[in-house]
Amino acid sequence: RKEVEQDPGPFNVPEGATVAFNCTYSNSASQSFFWYRQDCRKEPKLLMSVYSSGNEDGRFTAQLNRASQYISLLIRDSKLSDSATYLCVVTGWGKLQFGAGTQVVVTP
Amino acid sequence: NAGVTQTPKFRVLKTGQSMTLLCAQDMNHEYMYWYRQDPGMGLRLIHYSVGEGTTAKGEVPDGYNVSRLKKQNFLLGLESAAPSQTSVYFCASSYGAVQETQYFGPGTRLLVL
Repeated sequence: RKEVEQDPGPFNVPEGATVAFNCTYSNSASQSFFWYRQDCRKEPKLLMSVYSSGNEDGRFTAQLNRASQYISLLIRDSKLSDSATYLCVVTGWGKLQFGAGTQVVVTP
Repeated sequence: NAGVTQTPKFRVLKTGQSMTLLCAQDMNHEYMYWYRQDPGMGLRLIHYSVGEGTTAKGEVPDGYNVSRLKKQNFLLGLESAAPSQTSVYFCASSYGAVQETQYFGPGTRLLVL
């Protein structure tokens, strides 16, 4: 079983709609959680950290569920520019683990 | 402010050839990392460094060597390239440990024939 698992997608989303997807992790001792965004053939870039109480950054909302060991990302009012692969990143025991990513395609 | 840069951007090697990938950062970061990214898999850590003159193995270190002679540079070497090393290689740096934001370079696409 992979330590960090994501639905690869693609999630096809009409412009203006809401999309949400999860990331599950296997290490219950995981400490920090992040979402990175990766555009096609580009480098990953930090989108947002995920805090225990949940947090928002504009149209993006991240949640952490420690009991069920998953984090989620919700994108409201999707823009064409939101089309990308979203990587879940989990740290614990000094290690940083990347998920393989969830692809989101926003269509006009 | 260039951030993290990688050289070269693309390279084709024949099996058995050697090469060195160069990563440079101008953010005065202590930590630097080399990852490989393959289709359907997350970024996997090859080697990392927590400061000038130090290196450590990551998840998939076999077939690679690294050096960090200067704080701003982190070199990844392939002594005898194999087709299994065909991948996209990303370098990253961070101010501190793993919970800090990582800043990635643009990547090096390597094809081993």
